Amino acid sequence: SQQGEEDPQALSIQEGENATMNCSYKTSINNLQWYRQNSGRGLVHLILIRSNEREKHSGRLRVTLDTSKKSSSLLITASRAADTASYFCATDPSFLQPSYAGGTSYGKLTFGQGTILTVHP
Amino acid sequence: KAGVTQTPRYLIKTRGQQVTLSCSPISGHRSVSWYQQTPGQGLQFLFEYFSETQRNKGNFPGRFSGRQFSNSRSEMNVSTLELGDSALYLCASSSGTPFGAFFGQGTRLTVV
Repeated sequence: SQQGEEDPQALSIQEGENATMNCSYKTSINNLQWYRQNSGRGLVHLILIRSNEREKHSGRLRVTLDTSKKSSSLLITASRAADTASYFCATDPSFLQPSYAGGTSYGKLTFGQGTILTVHP
Repeated sequence: KAGVTQTPRYLIKTRGQQVTLSCSPISGHRSVSWYQQTPGQGLQFLFEYFSETQRNKGNFPGRFSGRQFSNSRSEMNVSTLELGDSALYLCASSSGTPFGAFFGQGTRLTVV
């Protein structure tokens, strides 16, 4: 079963505009991650935010996390046609362990339903 | 480093048959996880292996099984295939760093 909802299910914008996707989840988490998937291919990891962080940036990506509301948002600024893809949030409930002991393996991720983003040239 | 490699990429099987999918993780990664992706259910966790031991398991019937070898390569087996098993099966490896999990391109299984 899915951890939560992603909103919107589909988003269509013009190149240069910003795209915002939201994710809600149900249980306590250690971290939340965002992934991108192009046309039914493998997922690509975009960014990870830990439960004690509120905001994180990576290039044109900005992620926020509100653990009190159990929600996260992904903002893509100045979008490009190449950003067209499905975007998924994934929650990881595992506790951090030292990496030499296996670490938090991100091995049991629970994914949202995803947002299909279309960026028109 | 080479990425996560899944073989085969495409597979067509008949109901009742069994199938084995293979995943080679990124060198040095000891954790390998499997996910099933369908249009109806989305991405669902199957199981995770770490150092040849199953560490986590999702809510799938016993027809779905897996194993991991000493070189961290993993296989997933589905016995007595059903039409509903048609899906994209994704393998991911990780090492517990902040870089998340690395996914392969998936195996597209079609059961007819």
